[in-house]
Formats: sequence, C-alpha cells, structure tokens
Amino acid sequence: DQQVKQNSPSLSVQEGRISILNCDYTNSMFDYFLWYKKYPAEGPTFLISISSIKDKNEDGRFTVFLNKSAKHLSLHIVPSQPGDSAVYFCAASLYNAGNMLTFGGGTRLMVKP
Amino acid sequence: GAVVSQHPSWVICKSGTSVKIECRSLDFQATTMFWYRQFPKQSLMLMATSNEGSKATYEQGVEKDKFLINHASLTLSTLTVTSAHPEDSSFYICSARESSGRETQYFGPGTRLLVL
Repeated sequence: DQQVKQNSPSLSVQEGRISILNCDYTNSMFDYFLWYKKYPAEGPTFLISISSIKDKNEDGRFTVFLNKSAKHLSLHIVPSQPGDSAVYFCAASLYNAGNMLTFGGGTRLMVKP
Repeated sequence: GAVVSQHPSWVICKSGTSVKIECRSLDFQATTMFWYRQFPKQSLMLMATSNEGSKATYEQGVEKDKFLINHASLTLSTLTVTSAHPEDSSFYICSARESSGRETQYFGPGTRLLVL
C-alpha cells in the first residue's frame, strides 16, 4: 500500500514558467513533509519542508503548499530554470514512528530552455 | 546544509564476495542513519534504520544477515553486503539525521554496486 503517491511520473515546463509538482498521501498521521531533488546516480538533495501545523512554506524560488484536509501537498518552482531538471521526490514522516521517511515514486521535471 | 559522504562511490565485485559501504556525517552528529536502496527508475526503498550504539532495525523483507549494519559512532555507519549476488546490484544511499534536529535527513551521494 503506497502511503505517498506522486501520480505524475513526468512534467515538462518552459523556462521561466511555474513548475507545480503534486503529491498525495493517505496516512493522516504524517506530520512532516519534505521535498528532495535527485539527479541520476546521486543522492537526493533536500529542498524544502513543511510541518503539518503550517499550510505554506517558502524558500526562494521554492514554495510548498500543504492541504491537510485533502491530504495533498505541492511544490511550486518559480521561475523554472533548466538546472531544475531532475527527479523530485516528496516524502512524509511520522514523529512517533521514529521520523522515518516514506517516499513517493518521484516526478521527473524537464525544464526546456 | 549538512554534508554526508559515502565511500566507495561505485564498486564492482565477484559473486560471493562481501562489500562494505561507509556512510559518514561530516559536519554534524547523527544518532540515526538510514540505508536505502534504489532500483532503476524506482523510488528509494528504506532498508534499515541504524541507531548509534544499538542494533539496526530492518524493514520487512530485508535480510539482516545479508545486509550487516554497524553504527559505531555518531558520524559513521557501515553497510556490508555479505556474499553478494547479481540481484544485489543496485544503488545504495545512506542518509543521516542531526541529533539536535528532527525530520530533515541529509543524503549521501550513493554507492553503485555491480555484482558480476
């Protein structure tokens, strides 16, 4: 049973436009969410996170939105740059479960110049 | 951000041999380190959680006798793939969480293992 899902395996966006990556989860007990960026043959790089007590967190070009009632979070990248092209994973954690991360399947973002 | 290193970055070995992968947190102390495995075009799958000074906790389906984990210090965890077989070929990634922090895990660059 996949508790964290990224339903779009890939996304193509024009440079300068907004990229929106979506993530859904089923376990309402998750209380912390993270986004990671990953290049092939490299480890994931932490991008941004959000606690379940918030609905928005912003860091530069990256903004994460959390809708707890819909069990949905999204990552907005504005403006998108070719260097943003990578696979993006959302992850969720549960404090009482030792903060282990449960990852979504990833979305490959391609930003075209 | 915090830096996590892995060594080696890639390894090729013969079937039946054992391979040790090191994971180090370079600029912070990590009471907890995690080991993941990633198959091509798939997500990261947690193999085990390693706590400093105690036995690792393995996820269901992961053989503890095959994937030996040692977390001897606050900055070092090792994963040993014993009697490696071709099906063990994969990309192994570790992550570490700061002792003073909470959820954010910082990942190593990964180790690609190819068993011939």
